[in-house]
Amino acid sequence: EAHLVESGGGLMHPGGSLRLSCVVSGLPVRINYMAWVRQAPGKGLECVSVIYADGGTSYTDSVKGRFSISRDTSRNTVYLQMDSLRVDDTGVYYCARIAGGGNSSPFDYWGQGTLVNVS
Amino acid sequence: SYVLNQPPSVSVAPGKTATITCGGNNIGSKSVHWYQQKPGQAPVLVIFYDNDRPSGIPERFSGSNSGNTATLTISRVEAGDEADFYCQVWDTSGYYVFGPGTKVTVL
Repeated sequence: EAHLVESGGGLMHPGGSLRLSCVVSGLPVRINYMAWVRQAPGKGLECVSVIYADGGTSYTDSVKGRFSISRDTSRNTVYLQMDSLRVDDTGVYYCARIAGGGNSSPFDYWGQGTLVNVS
Repeated sequence: SYVLNQPPSVSVAPGKTATITCGGNNIGSKSVHWYQQKPGQAPVLVIFYDNDRPSGIPERFSGSNSGNTATLTISRVEAGDEADFYCQVWDTSGYYVFGPGTKVTVL
């Protein structure tokens, strides 16, 4: 059974920066697709960024050029560096694993989330 | 970009069947996944690849996908099923796409 634990959220002013961390146990991040999914207050889910097994990355359009996903395989941890924060970046950020290493695969493991409040 | 549509809410009496739809252009050609999210909790995968259930998910949860509509069906609904449900696909033009969510209320 895998466990994902996010941290690093908090209150930031617009234009600020935050780095979120996701410590993973029970599965190696180096061979998995790992994602950050956010949820604005009272709203639905949005996939923000993915890091692939080969180290490639992708981002939803609204965060391109501002967010950067990375991983440390020695710490089995995934990061999300968030720069030039905007009010509409506010929400709970979940770390999740995309099963099976394929784009059409489901998000099968989720962390408990960390709250980012840009105000 | 690819858009998914879901009804905002569905109400169902205990013991009855809840049907939640997820509409999208030719969604039948894609793999659809469904997530249940209870208040203050992370989403939980309940159906994957249209109609597979992860271990621990009751057989009361089932799915189908054809044409322009995917469906999540919850049979013999219980009070504990009350939650928000999201469908999700991957589309080359729309990245990883989630539907807007359906709130299921057990009467």
